[in-house]
Amino acid sequence: DTAVSQTPKYLVTQMGNDKSIKCEQNLGHDTMYWYKQDSKKFLKIMFSYNNKELIINETVPNRFSPKSPDKAHLNLHINSLELGDSAVYFCASSQGTSGGAGETQYFGPGTRLLVL
Amino acid sequence: QKEVEQNSGPLSVPEGAIASLNCTYSDRGSQSFFWYRQYSGKSPELIMFIYSNGDKEDGRFTAQLNKASQYVSLLIRDSQPSDSATYLCAPVSWAGSYQLTFGKGTKLSVIP
Repeated sequence: DTAVSQTPKYLVTQMGNDKSIKCEQNLGHDTMYWYKQDSKKFLKIMFSYNNKELIINETVPNRFSPKSPDKAHLNLHINSLELGDSAVYFCASSQGTSGGAGETQYFGPGTRLLVL
Repeated sequence: QKEVEQNSGPLSVPEGAIASLNCTYSDRGSQSFFWYRQYSGKSPELIMFIYSNGDKEDGRFTAQLNKASQYVSLLIRDSQPSDSATYLCAPVSWAGSYQLTFGKGTKLSVIP
C-alpha cells in the first residue's frame, strides 16, 4: 500500500504547455504539501493545504496553482511551462499542526518534470 | 529569512567509522527538528525527530541538539555503504503555520 502517491512519475513537455501533477495520500493526514527540488537538490516548499484550505503559499510564480478537492488529494497545475520549471516535484503529507512529531512529513516518490 | 546551514560535502568516511553531520539554524523559535535521508533519485525519508536538548539515540543513529547554540547534529555509528545518501536537516518553524525548512543537505559517502 503506497502511503503517498504521485502521478505521473516522469513528465517531458515543451515550453509553453500546461500540465498537471496529481497527489494522493491514504494516511488520513490533514495537511499536504508541494515541494520543488531543483538541480542543486535544494528542497523548497511551494504550497501547503490543511483540510482543503491553503495555509502556506510561498513566493512562486502564479503560473503554479494548487487545488485540493478533498483532504486526501492535492494537485498542482502549471501553466505556460518554462525551462526553469524543470525539477523534481514532491508531494508530502503530515498529520499535525502542533509543531512536534506530528509534523513528520511523508513524501511521495516525486514527479520528474523536464521542460524542453 | 530562516536559514538552515549544512556542509554540502561530500563527506567521505570508511566503512565502520562514525559519520558526523552538522546543521545550524537561524530561527531561535524552532523547537523541534527532523533529520531526513535521501538516496539519489529517491524521496526523503525520516531518520530522526528530536525536540529536547541533548542526545537521542535510535539504533546506529544519534541526534544531538543544542538550542542555545542553534545547532543540531546527526551521528551515524558503524557506517555502512548503504548509509551513502544525502542527509537533510529540517527545523520546524512558524510562519503562520508550522512548516519544515530544509537545509541543502550533506552528501555522505561510506567507502567499503
